[in-house]
Amino acid sequence: GAVVSQHPSWVICKSGTSVKIECRSLDFQATTMFWYRQFPKQSLMLMATSNEGSKATYEQGVEKDKFLINHASLTLSTLTVTSAHPEDSSFYICSARVVAGNTGELFFGEGSRLTVL
Amino acid sequence: RKEVEQDPGPFNVPEGATVAFNCTYSNSASQSFFWYRQDCRKEPKLLMSVYSSGNEDGRFTAQLNRASQYISLLIRDSKLSDSATYLCVVDPPYGQNFVFGPGTRLSVLP
Repeated sequence: GAVVSQHPSWVICKSGTSVKIECRSLDFQATTMFWYRQFPKQSLMLMATSNEGSKATYEQGVEKDKFLINHASLTLSTLTVTSAHPEDSSFYICSARVVAGNTGELFFGEGSRLTVL
Repeated sequence: RKEVEQDPGPFNVPEGATVAFNCTYSNSASQSFFWYRQDCRKEPKLLMSVYSSGNEDGRFTAQLNRASQYISLLIRDSKLSDSATYLCVVDPPYGQNFVFGPGTRLSVLP
């Protein structure tokens, strides 16, 4: 089946630094990928929709200048958390959709756990 | 009203029990429905799609009632390994993004 790979799985960084997370579709092309954030014991929160070759679409309340998304190819989207602060510590997950007909299954990356000191 | 709502949980059940989760959605034009399972500190994984006629996969049965905008998941003969959070996911029409329910946490106790 389709696989989405995310890297790194864990990252610890100092406050004020930037962190880049990669999301790759391994055996299919994904024109659209999604980025989520999940705080402990809470549900997934969609941050933005990453569109290949164009600007990402951000959900309300998500700062686009802080969470930079680049979708340069059909198999890779990156999320950069700029000037990270402790409150950005969270579990970040990407997903991509495999479309078949009028429906499609959503596959998730393994997630990246960010801890900002 | 939230787009997708689920039983608040948590559900604590003994091994071997049967447990049912409910989910309701607000957009009557929604196309597809799924149950995902998420283990602690892991990504969600597809458990099963939900078809109009209802579908079964081993100990798991999913049902859809479009008229009531209601989805259910039944787990029979619960195993310890079934402990997880179960997410109801709805695919709205017109290319909108998937909508996730808040999840229902299940703990199967020995």
